[in-house]
Amino acid sequence: SAVISQKPSRDICQRGTSLTIQCQVDSQVTMMFWYRQQPGQSLTLIATANQGSEATYESGFVIDKFPISRPNLTFSTLTVSNMSPEDSSIYLCSVWQGPASSAFFGQGTRLTVV
Amino acid sequence: KQEVTQIPAALSVPEGENLVLNCSFTDSAIYNLQWFRQDPGKGLTSLLLIQSSQREQTSGRLNASLDKSSGRSTLYIAASQPGDSATYLCAVGIQGAQKLVFGQGTRLTINP
Repeated sequence: SAVISQKPSRDICQRGTSLTIQCQVDSQVTMMFWYRQQPGQSLTLIATANQGSEATYESGFVIDKFPISRPNLTFSTLTVSNMSPEDSSIYLCSVWQGPASSAFFGQGTRLTVV
Repeated sequence: KQEVTQIPAALSVPEGENLVLNCSFTDSAIYNLQWFRQDPGKGLTSLLLIQSSQREQTSGRLNASLDKSSGRSTLYIAASQPGDSATYLCAVGIQGAQKLVFGQGTRLTINP
């Protein structure tokens, strides 16, 4: 199993500003994932972050809006840039430890943009 | 494109009842299927993981089944308790099981 700490747990931000969310894992993992959960919706994958390479973004998500860093095998950040109220969501970090393993999630960051 | 649907969207039952949550997916080429529980402010907790070669998994009062050919999975909860109240999410693993495609969840309320 993996224990994932995500910071901040929640924030209220002004439109036009940026927020960086941190994800720390208690063990080394190759792949980390960032998901978004909009109000009343399910989780949607934003991007996959591998250490030592550029993040891979899913359709509809771009690096300029959601830059990701992955400086080592236990840490990643997701920045939500130039925020608008439509960015109000829960953002979750996840890790995957192989096909025989469950996915593990952080507790999420609840972002409200006003 | 893989799509995952969960029915019902919400369910309210009295304590002690057995219940079934349903999950369907459009593409049978999956690597695995997972059931998660989501509590407010606490992220997701993995309940059961079924590999594509398996037909069911059990953990305590929970039993999940998988029928790839029909694109369906069910989560059976026995002797429900108020502490089971949460949103239950189904997710299928694709592309080497690395990526998860989620359903929209079933919001379950167990009434004392």
